Amino acid sequence: EAGVVQSPRYKIIEKKQPVAFWCNPISGHNTLYWYLQNLGQGPELLIRYENEEAVDDSQLPKDRFSAERLKGVDSTLKIQPAELGDSAVYLCASSARQGVGELFFGEGSRLTVL
Amino acid sequence: ELKVEQNPLFLSMQEGKNYTIYCNYSTTSDRLYWYRQDPGKSLESLFVLLSNGAVKQEGRLMASLDTKARLSTLHITAAVHDLSATYFCAVEGYAGGTSYGKLTFGQGTILTVHP
Repeated sequence: EAGVVQSPRYKIIEKKQPVAFWCNPISGHNTLYWYLQNLGQGPELLIRYENEEAVDDSQLPKDRFSAERLKGVDSTLKIQPAELGDSAVYLCASSARQGVGELFFGEGSRLTVL
Repeated sequence: ELKVEQNPLFLSMQEGKNYTIYCNYSTTSDRLYWYRQDPGKSLESLFVLLSNGAVKQEGRLMASLDTKARLSTLHITAAVHDLSATYFCAVEGYAGGTSYGKLTFGQGTILTVHP
């Protein structure tokens, strides 16, 4: 069974440019998460989806970040415009049960903003 | 607000030695998870602890949960180099019996095992 797939793995952009990350969760997992991991830190939740509904986006900086999960499967996280402080790893995770349960993480998308 | 603290943050061990990583959390929960992360890689699930007194073991690693003390431990027995990685604990927060629906992670413990 395929795991959580993310792309791109690495992205280098100039500040003020837009960037988008894509995530395909494990088949059948209705709950999808985007986490932010800064260097040397634990992951921090950005947004949680139950099917196509964003049920917790309280930590998402909505002035520049947006996310969508059309049809309740794949998800896209966008930053526009990117700032230097956005350099981090963006992790996507999914779980089989509503609420939390065990999370399965993708490899992450490492963003460098110059 | 749920806070999760791990200690130590850095751990340098000799092969063959034993050690314990501690994970303390600030609010009531009986669901705790341990993850391993290798450099440049994603997080791999190690243990799922879902009740007070839960103990899980896999190879040289053993995890336990004391919900009354709000403490989990990850014990390493006879460390080997392959265990070198960053270890995270994560807690599922609850209020009034309802899950917040997210995991709050500790800062991570960077473990290095030397010959």
